[in-house]
Amino acid sequence: AQSVSQHNHHVILSEAASLELGCNYSYGGTVNLFWYVQYPGQHLQLLLKYFSGDPLVKGIKGFEAEFIKSKFSFNLRKPSVQWSDTAEYFCAVNERGFQKLVFGTGTRLLVSP
Amino acid sequence: DTAVSQTPKYLVTQMGNDKSIKCEQNLGHDTMYWYKQDSKKFLKIMFSYNNKELIINETVPNRFSPKSPDKAHLNLHINSLELGDSAVYFCASSRRQGASTEAFFGQGTRLTVV
Repeated sequence: AQSVSQHNHHVILSEAASLELGCNYSYGGTVNLFWYVQYPGQHLQLLLKYFSGDPLVKGIKGFEAEFIKSKFSFNLRKPSVQWSDTAEYFCAVNERGFQKLVFGTGTRLLVSP
Repeated sequence: DTAVSQTPKYLVTQMGNDKSIKCEQNLGHDTMYWYKQDSKKFLKIMFSYNNKELIINETVPNRFSPKSPDKAHLNLHINSLELGDSAVYFCASSRRQGASTEAFFGQGTRLTVV
């Protein structure tokens, strides 16, 4: 069965600091990879996605992620965070051809001004 | 226009009651889902429907019964509510099963069972 691990449960950063959130998945087949963000009290919004091609994907709001197949990882990065990036971040995976999204446990990011 | 809309946004009810949550998507998607987010923010799929046909049922208690009258709607009915059912329930939709596409989520329904 697929599983997704997010090792950082809580991250606290100051504005302008760089961000990297780890995501590892366990599945040997072909997968689609996603990062979603959930701002306080809101629904999940897609930050970025990887289906195929260039393993470095760019998303909205200056976020990017790199798919490293050999490490089963899809880490999220942002060079300089803002206070408005305070939110919960979820990594998600689905097996190619199937729509069941498996989510990681989420990382709560707090950016202090 | 809201792509995936759920009603109600908040639902407070007593144990033992029966309640429904409605979901509608105007994206023309074929596949719809229900996810449950618990108090620790963990998200887990409950059901998936593709063109009104049940595709995924993730060992959800029989008290939960999804109904899809058409491919734009997926409602969730819950019988005999229990305290442990308190959570945020998210509806989502995506293009046809098998396509590489993302899921679009609704605003969520915060269910509190007292």
